[in-house]
Amino acid sequence: EIVLTQSPGSLSLSPGERATLSCRASQSVSSTFLAWYQQRPGQAPRLLIYGASNRATGIPDRFSGSGSGTDFTLTISRLEPEDFAVYYCQQNGYSWTFGQGTKVEIK
Amino acid sequence: EVQLIQSGAEVRKPGATVKISCKVSGYTFNDYNIHWVQQAPGKGLEWMGLLNPEDGKSTFAEKFQGRVTITADTSTDTAYLELGSLRSEDSAIYYCSVSGLVTGTDAFDIWGQGTLVTVSS
Repeated sequence: EIVLTQSPGSLSLSPGERATLSCRASQSVSSTFLAWYQQRPGQAPRLLIYGASNRATGIPDRFSGSGSGTDFTLTISRLEPEDFAVYYCQQNGYSWTFGQGTKVEIK
Repeated sequence: EVQLIQSGAEVRKPGATVKISCKVSGYTFNDYNIHWVQQAPGKGLEWMGLLNPEDGKSTFAEKFQGRVTITADTSTDTAYLELGSLRSEDSAIYYCSVSGLVTGTDAFDIWGQGTLVTVSS
């Protein structure tokens, strides 16, 4: 099983600041098979990024994904109030596994 | 509009079985895999398994093999998750989702609203 480790576990930032979230895989993952999801409190997750760097439909361009191999990054360029949420990475190349999540909190 | 509408909250006693549903609309049900994801209170997401509605075949995460059944009724475009021998650790929100529909990848494009299952004596 491919284990995904996200860091940090939580991030305390102010609106307008930049957020950088990391996802590290226990073995190499093709970029094609790396996705990011956002989960707001009380809501279902929603797809943000697929194929490591492709924004899903309707996702603002302040969200960007990058990385390859075992190291992937989700960047939110300028935090909006609605961006404070939990973010999960997922690999879907060898079965499906999620990281444990990074909570982005308001400072 | 694509929608995945799940059945309502359930309460069961330990050792019982629960079956929850996920009715899809807005696309051809048979064409895309349906997945189920567990989220325990305050915890992260865990993939449980998937169903290919076209051939009815399912695949499970090792943790859930033997206790989980995923089925579909193609006449009503509905997928089902059945979890047996319930224990307190199964108390969670269960989500269905569809992959490949929008992005053409195995990412989970669209999600249901979730179903809360509470296991309590």
